[in-house]
Amino acid sequence: DTGVSQDPRHKITKRGQNVTFRCDPISEHNRLYWYRQTLGQGPEFLTYFQNEAQLEKSRLLSDRFSAERPKGSFSTLEIQRTEQGDSAMYLCASSLPTGAMWETQYFGPGTRLLVL
Amino acid sequence: DAKTTQPPSMDCAEGRAANLPCNHSTISGNEYVYWYRQIHSQGPQYIIHGLKNNETNEMASLIITEDRKSSTLILPHATLRDTAVYYCFRTYKYIFGTGTRLKVLA
Repeated sequence: DTGVSQDPRHKITKRGQNVTFRCDPISEHNRLYWYRQTLGQGPEFLTYFQNEAQLEKSRLLSDRFSAERPKGSFSTLEIQRTEQGDSAMYLCASSLPTGAMWETQYFGPGTRLLVL
Repeated sequence: DAKTTQPPSMDCAEGRAANLPCNHSTISGNEYVYWYRQIHSQGPQYIIHGLKNNETNEMASLIITEDRKSSTLILPHATLRDTAVYYCFRTYKYIFGTGTRLKVLA
């Protein structure tokens, strides 16, 4: 399968612990996006990378959240000192450069986080 | 305000057309409208997108009003497998709509 992959698919942690999620985009997709989706709501944009550069961050991305894409391929999203309100599905998407301003994003299956 | 609104739920009989509206009254001139659907516990799946003209692909048709303030996704012959939550999506600020839960009935 050559789609976007995310690991782990599920994570249960205790409040106050740190967690890290990984996203592997579709090969040759140089743009990578992270979203958060809480139960019953649509996905909300968190941040976006073009290659290794983090170009945009939402105000939802608090100081406890950090995302990296060190070599312009896979990306990690870390949440420090998790809170119960961080419980959500974390979605990753990637897009292929077309030269257009906007590109179609293709989503991975998500990582479901539960903070106890 | 970039709020994008959709009716919360709709039912459609199997084999009939499903018409899913989206209101994006604050859309800007160069901003595309995308449609995705999400089947339970999976990531959103791309369906179709457009800027000004109506579009059609193997999955659906997209009708965009002339003033671009709203659009309608049309599934021409809905099947049970089309039961999902459908989101319109605006490329500016990457905003998903409120979503419509479509239930296709046998």
